[in-house]
Amino acid sequence: DAGVIQSPRHEVTEMGQEVTLRCKPISGHDYLFWYRQTMMRGLELLIYFNNNVPIDDSGMPEDRFSAKMPNASFSTLKIQPSEPRDSAVYFCASSLARLAGELFFGEGSRLTVL
Amino acid sequence: KQEVTQIPAALSVPEGENLVLNCSFTDSAIYNLQWFRQDPGKGLTSLLLIQSSQREQTSGRLNASLDKSSGRSTLYIAASQPGDSATYLCAVIPNAGNNRKLIWGLGTSLAVNP
Repeated sequence: DAGVIQSPRHEVTEMGQEVTLRCKPISGHDYLFWYRQTMMRGLELLIYFNNNVPIDDSGMPEDRFSAKMPNASFSTLKIQPSEPRDSAVYFCASSLARLAGELFFGEGSRLTVL
Repeated sequence: KQEVTQIPAALSVPEGENLVLNCSFTDSAIYNLQWFRQDPGKGLTSLLLIQSSQREQTSGRLNASLDKSSGRSTLYIAASQPGDSATYLCAVIPNAGNNRKLIWGLGTSLAVNP
């Protein structure tokens, strides 16, 4: 399996622009997680899905952030409008229900908002 | 509220040395604990997962122990190599039903010098 695939790997945008990050989980995994990583706060869980249904979005910073999972093989994280404080590395991870905690991470999308 | 702390934040050792990384958590009621490795610019890779009923897990030169009563886990790396240089993070899943929200430490940045 190719693992969790994220795109783009790097994104540089200007404040106010819309940003869309994409994720393809490992085939057969029924959990999908979006994380944000910064030096100051470390890894923060933004939202996670089970069988394409959002289970917990309490980590989403504010209404500017939204996430969707239209099918088992694709998810998006959207920021609109983006702000400089959104600059971070965004990770997608997936896992199997029976292996609680055993996450498989993508290589991340590094976002820079100018 | 569960909190995870990793000490030290950074560690530099000569090649060949045995070393221990520490992880502590404030609430002993955990479902499991997991150690991850993160290389610069990359995603996280799961190293070892310890269920709450287990005391330790081993993989090659790595050994992770868990002492729930004291709220501590250690990751022991034997005969360290320059290729072990990375950031090591620990995370716990709180013992709360179907909760899949890992609580993360900030990591220990390890440098193994040839």
